[in-house]
Amino acid sequence: SQTIHQWPATLVQPVGSPLSLECTVEGTSNPNLYWYRQAAGRGLQLLFYSVGIGQISSEVPQNLSASRPQDRQFILSSKKLLLSDSGFYLCACGQTLQETQYFGPGTRLLVL
Amino acid sequence: SQQGEEDPQALSIQEGENATMNCSYKTSINNLQWYRQNSGRGLVHLILIRSNEREKHSGRLRVTLDTSKKSSSLLITASRAADTASYFCATGYNDMRFGAGTRLTVKP
Repeated sequence: SQTIHQWPATLVQPVGSPLSLECTVEGTSNPNLYWYRQAAGRGLQLLFYSVGIGQISSEVPQNLSASRPQDRQFILSSKKLLLSDSGFYLCACGQTLQETQYFGPGTRLLVL
Repeated sequence: SQQGEEDPQALSIQEGENATMNCSYKTSINNLQWYRQNSGRGLVHLILIRSNEREKHSGRLRVTLDTSKKSSSLLITASRAADTASYFCATGYNDMRFGAGTRLTVKP
């Protein structure tokens, strides 16, 4: 079964600083990969998904970007963080866009 | 945008009681899934029910789906304190959309 790793677990960054969150997947090949953001006590907002290396679909316009340099690596980035970027970021993988997704442990980002 | 909407937003029960959470959605689906999230952790997949199924069981979990009413329910029987978590429904069609969740508290 697949395992999703995310790091760091917690991150405190100043406004205007860059961001790089990494997600790696084990135990599966050619997965669909997802980045979600969850505000405190809320549901999940899909930010990006990828069906293959170099293929990124963006769900919402924002100052974040994603990249997939390898089959099982998904990176979430920003050049300049905003206060509104604070939240809980979850990486997930699945075999199709509508089937079961498996989630990583998440990264809690606080932008001050 | 979110697809499913869970009801209630929060539910508090005593250990041993049953917990029922509902999910309503607006458009066509191929499947509906329920996930659980412990505080500060990732989501864990609980159960998937396809659009041609009406009921599914997994241990103490029972999920029903009524596509005519565009609704689903998750029943947790004989609840335990360890069931305390947030529960999310997610609808699958061309992609998957999550609701805002129900926060379940089971008091020992």
